[in-house]
Amino acid sequence: GAVVSQHPSWVICKSGTSVKIECRSLDFQATTMFWYRQFPKQSLMLMATSNEGSKATYEQGVEKDKFLINHASLTLSTLTVTSAHPEDSSFYICSARDPRGMNTEAFFGQGTRLTVV
Amino acid sequence: ELKVEQNPLFLSMQEGKNYTIYCNYSTTSDRLYWYRQDPGKSLESLFVLLSNGAVKQEGRLMASLDTKARLSTLHITAAVHDLSATYFCAVDRNSGNTPLVFGKGTRLSVIA
Repeated sequence: GAVVSQHPSWVICKSGTSVKIECRSLDFQATTMFWYRQFPKQSLMLMATSNEGSKATYEQGVEKDKFLINHASLTLSTLTVTSAHPEDSSFYICSARDPRGMNTEAFFGQGTRLTVV
Repeated sequence: ELKVEQNPLFLSMQEGKNYTIYCNYSTTSDRLYWYRQDPGKSLESLFVLLSNGAVKQEGRLMASLDTKARLSTLHITAAVHDLSATYFCAVDRNSGNTPLVFGKGTRLSVIA
């Protein structure tokens, strides 16, 4: 079964509103989670690294004020897309590694399809 | 800057045929990952290659890793339609609990 669960799997929102996406590690504690974005027919691009109990680390070109990341517990990270616009429409995927497995494998959530209208 | 290059990016092959997808990377990492993605879905882990010379097989897919050449291959044997998907290779950006850096993906279409 899935070890990283993402919710919701899809969401449609109006321009200017905010959307929150949750990512949970189900049977392990994740001090670090990763958020990726994937545009149609493209690869996954890392947006940010979510760190439990501290600020997220954003990749170059990703607006931290627009993509708010909170990692308040060892099993939950959230990504909030603030004041969403149509260009934010994308597939968002979170990932985490199980430290019990020496971080050898990265597990991915089911993904969230965001459509901003 | 770490680079992961896959080729081909698009592949149309007939059922029953064999083909190889190549993944070159610029890091010295000795680990490499292969994923499958179906349209509208997230990533499905296919192989985790953890050392030089690693070879893993699952059904009609076989992956290998040559860390000295910084090359991994994904070989498809006797393709069937169900293998149609996009295949990504990825490497660790750093050591430890680190994000992955992905290739651009190979979109495979298996036709009758």
